[in-house]
Amino acid sequence: QVQLVESGGGVVQPGRSLRLSCAASRFTFSSYAMHWVRQAPGKGLQWVALMSYDGRIKHYTDSVKGRFTISRDNSKNTLYLQMNSLRVEDTAVYYCARDLIQWGAIDIWGQGTMVTVSS
Amino acid sequence: QSVLTQPPSVSAAPGQKVTISCSGGSSNIGNNFVSWYQQLPGTAPKLLIYDNDKRPSGIPDRFSGSKSGASATLGITGLQTGDEADYYCGSWDTSLSAYVFGTGTEVTVL
Repeated sequence: QVQLVESGGGVVQPGRSLRLSCAASRFTFSSYAMHWVRQAPGKGLQWVALMSYDGRIKHYTDSVKGRFTISRDNSKNTLYLQMNSLRVEDTAVYYCARDLIQWGAIDIWGQGTMVTVSS
Repeated sequence: QSVLTQPPSVSAAPGQKVTISCSGGSSNIGNNFVSWYQQLPGTAPKLLIYDNDKRPSGIPDRFSGSKSGASATLGITGLQTGDEADYYCGSWDTSLSAYVFGTGTEVTVL
């Protein structure tokens, strides 16, 4: 079945960088916009970023603008999230997710990867 | 801080019905579609409703969605213990150029 598998999470000190990857399979990755969504421990869902199917359009939540960069490699069926200048408040499970219809719904979610920012 | 407001919790007995409200504004729910997500404990979210009232394949018709103005509602009938989860609404916000989630509602089956 359609699958998204995140990797790259871990423990990092404040101010450092981390790159998350999301490998997509069993669907035409290059035809879908993709999202990153995060969830801090015990908290609700927070949308982080999205990229259009062709990479031309990117949007970010305000708290990560200038620090995080979303990108994709359609030849490798992979979505990325480069996270720089990490803060303690970026600690969360990060989900890669597929857009269903023009940024109106998210229909497929990965299992998530944990990012812990701590000194 | 979420721009979509949901009640923190709702509860009902097995077999009964619950409704969850999601209140937003003209830049999100008022002029864009609403989706609903179910998150069972320890798992990734799952899409329940999209385009206000449509169910993806495999979602039982016990789950329903509706929208009126800048508010939306998720209904769950025939409540089961397996429905105990957190539920989130979501919508694109045109002013923010961001996807926004609701504050989340915990459903408890008594």
